Amino acid sequence: QKEVEQNSGPLSVPEGAIASLNCTYSDRGSQSFFWYRQYSGKSPELIMFIYSNGDKEDGRFTAQLNKASQYVSLLIRDSQPSDSATYLCAVNNGYSSASKIIFGSGTRLSIRP
Amino acid sequence: ETGVTQTPRHLVMGMTNKKSLKCEQHLGHNAMYWYKQSAKKPLELMFVYNFKEQTENNSVPSRFSPECPNSSHLFLHLHTLQPEDSALYLCASSQDFEGFSRGGQHFGPGTRLTVT
Repeated sequence: QKEVEQNSGPLSVPEGAIASLNCTYSDRGSQSFFWYRQYSGKSPELIMFIYSNGDKEDGRFTAQLNKASQYVSLLIRDSQPSDSATYLCAVNNGYSSASKIIFGSGTRLSIRP
Repeated sequence: ETGVTQTPRHLVMGMTNKKSLKCEQHLGHNAMYWYKQSAKKPLELMFVYNFKEQTENNSVPSRFSPECPNSSHLFLHLHTLQPEDSALYLCASSQDFEGFSRGGQHFGPGTRLTVT
């Protein structure tokens, strides 16, 4: 079982709709969770982070965390063509210098006009 | 210059060459990281430095040698690489290693390395 698992996609969503990206993780002790966006040929860019169970909203983005079920998701409302990218989920167990930062393989999102 | 910069952006080297990748961050961060990104594979954390001290070495072959002379600069020295080492090498920084949990990482643009 992969430590951080994401559906590779591509996920195709019509413009203006809600895009839902999911990520599951295996380490129950994981403490912090991140979503990065990576455009083709570019480096990852942090868009959201979440530590507590529940929802966290930032503009059109909402991160949802459920530690009991070990999943974290990212919702993108009013999807725009500029949202087309690969979205990387990252998980950190948060234990001082022994922390391991694990990335998923990413989900490719395509917003069709 | 702002953010995290990396040089060179592209590098082609033979298996017997020695080269170095350079990373510089202008964010006042104290932790710096090297990652390897290969096609169709997740980002692989290679090395972590927190306040200039190496805290992580994720079983990286000795042909990769990191150096962190101060909190703003990070190098990755390369020698006798293999073709399978061809990848995008990304540098990142964060406030500090503990602070990673509070703010995530800022990535540089990467060095596209090709080993022939």
